[in-house]
Amino acid sequence: DTAVSQTPKYLVTQMGNDKSIKCEQNLGHDTMYWYKQDSKKFLKIMFSYNNKELIINETVPNRFSPKSPDKAHLNLHINSLELGDSAVYFCASSQATSSYNEQFFGPGTRLTVL
Amino acid sequence: GNSVTQMEGPVTLSEEAFLTINCTYTATGYPSLFWYVQYPGEGLQLLLKATKADDKGSNKGFEATYRKETTSFHLEKGSVQVSDSAVYFCAGGSGGSYIPTFGRGTSLIVHP
Repeated sequence: DTAVSQTPKYLVTQMGNDKSIKCEQNLGHDTMYWYKQDSKKFLKIMFSYNNKELIINETVPNRFSPKSPDKAHLNLHINSLELGDSAVYFCASSQATSSYNEQFFGPGTRLTVL
Repeated sequence: GNSVTQMEGPVTLSEEAFLTINCTYTATGYPSLFWYVQYPGEGLQLLLKATKADDKGSNKGFEATYRKETTSFHLEKGSVQVSDSAVYFCAGGSGGSYIPTFGRGTSLIVHP
């Protein structure tokens, strides 16, 4: 029933490790996104994919690599984790690649790097 | 470029008080405007939206009117409840951008 789901919900790991977050949407949307939310709730776009193709790649370190195996899935892999990567990561989707469309957000993954 | 400015929080109110959270925008062309709400521990969800000037979006007792002359989309509710405690994000989308521009969020705390 869940529209946009993410796993895991919590992720605690040591600096230098590599981790992945998975996202799936069952809304039939063409476009998916990754956002990072800091401790002050500021939301920053990281990536956007449309039909498995990367269309937005903001100034994100190349330790972050998104992968979209199909248009219903967008995963985020992070290499060599750093303390500053601690945040809540949200996956979202929308019907098309347009800022006029409503975005549907997942429940978030809280990443803590020790 | 596009930008959305909303009032800083936290906004702290007693139950049944009147709420206003200010939001102003600058955008190319005629944007669509949104309010999203984020309850504790959850993702953002759309609260209401307006797609053209003078449109009023409303949902769950919240309202916002798209004012082109003042480039504003202020969120209002006549009587807040404890369950309205959340972070509220104003956002604007226009033809010059693939994704909406989000404001920084305003935390609302409602006390019984």
